[in-house]
Amino acid sequence: AQTVTQSQPEMSVQEAETVTLSCTYDTSENNYYLFWYKQPPSRQMILVIRQEAYKQQNATENRFSVNFQKAAKSFSLKISDSQLGDTAMYFCAFMKSSSNTGKLIFGQGTTLQVKP
Amino acid sequence: KAGVTQTPRYLIKTRGQQVTLSCSPISGHRSVSWYQQTPGQGLQFLFEYFSETQRNKGNFPGRFSGRQFSNSRSEMNVSTLELGDSALYLCASSLWGGLETQYFGPGTRLLVL
Repeated sequence: AQTVTQSQPEMSVQEAETVTLSCTYDTSENNYYLFWYKQPPSRQMILVIRQEAYKQQNATENRFSVNFQKAAKSFSLKISDSQLGDTAMYFCAFMKSSSNTGKLIFGQGTTLQVKP
Repeated sequence: KAGVTQTPRYLIKTRGQQVTLSCSPISGHRSVSWYQQTPGQGLQFLFEYFSETQRNKGNFPGRFSGRQFSNSRSEMNVSTLELGDSALYLCASSLWGGLETQYFGPGTRLLVL
């Protein structure tokens, strides 16, 4: 069975600084997608970034980038120039290709606080 | 395009009652997945519907059920509510439910007293 582990329950960072959130996963699949979702206090789950496993290049979206290490099954999220609006819970999620049935497997989440 | 909508946003029920939650996907999306979020168990997959058919189901008791209509709107039903069913219920939609991004609604917060 696939599992996703986020080992940092809580983190904090000063505004404008850089922070990295960790995620590891376990799977025997070769083709899959990995996601980082953000859940602010409003509870709306918002997609931050997506990585396709077959792509070697790490995904980037503005201030957000990932370090995808497929062999190590590691998928960390780096937030540069942190902003107060980045304060939220961040979830790492996994989806395998063979399921074809809309199932995301989530980690336990990391609560990130950005301090002014 | 309008995002995923969920109604109602908040519900208070008592033990033993049943509840129905509704989810309207993004226009053109045919797959709807449901998740339960609790502080103790985190985010857990309930089930997924595509073209009015349930294709996948998580590890939840039979009290949890759902359906999807021809316009892709989906409902989930929980019968004989228990205190432990108190949670945030999230639905997410995607085009075909395969290896693609899911877009989430704002959730329905259910409190069972």
